[in-house]
Amino acid sequence: SQTIHQWPATLVQPVGSPLSLECTVEGTSNPNLYWYRQAAGRGLQLLFYSVGIGQISSEVPQNLSASRPQDRQFILSSKKLLLSDSGFYLCAWSVLTGVTGFSGNTIYFGEGSWLTVV
Amino acid sequence: GIQVEQSPPDLILQEGANSTLRCNFSDSVNNLQWFHQNPWGQLINLFYIPSGTKQNGRLSATTVATERYSLLYISSSQTTDSGVYFCAVAAGNKLTFGGGTRVLVKP
Repeated sequence: SQTIHQWPATLVQPVGSPLSLECTVEGTSNPNLYWYRQAAGRGLQLLFYSVGIGQISSEVPQNLSASRPQDRQFILSSKKLLLSDSGFYLCAWSVLTGVTGFSGNTIYFGEGSWLTVV
Repeated sequence: GIQVEQSPPDLILQEGANSTLRCNFSDSVNNLQWFHQNPWGQLINLFYIPSGTKQNGRLSATTVATERYSLLYISSSQTTDSGVYFCAVAAGNKLTFGGGTRVLVKP
């Protein structure tokens, strides 16, 4: 069966420090991968998605970047964290079918990473 | 992009009560899902329901795609139903989430 893991689960980082969150998926090939952020316990905002190795789409301009060095690995990074980067970050995966995207498939989330920038 | 609105934003229920959560979306979609986020932040898939009706235990969902809305029904609510319920829709690669309905079930 497929599993998704992300780490670290919790981290407290000072303003201006770098960030690296890692996500890996097992049990599937060529998944779509996503990074979402949730602030203040509401609404998930899509930050990045990737349909393949090295292919990254950014949804919002921000202080963050994403990379996909391997098929089932997705990394969220920042060179210098801001206070506003604090939040709950969720990695997710799905497998698309056909040209209509998600049809017939669901999206699955990792356990999440709580980031507090101080 | 697609706009997703959920109502009500907050809901307080007495244990055993029934409730209906609503999700409106602004455009045609090929995917609609309902999630429950527990107090620890974990997102649990409840339903994949781009159209029609599904039931799973005390939960059921109905999507009327032509009218661009979906409903989630909670019957005989329990304290473990507390958390935030999200509706998410997609037309392609990207899943867009609504703002959620925060549910508190009191014993």
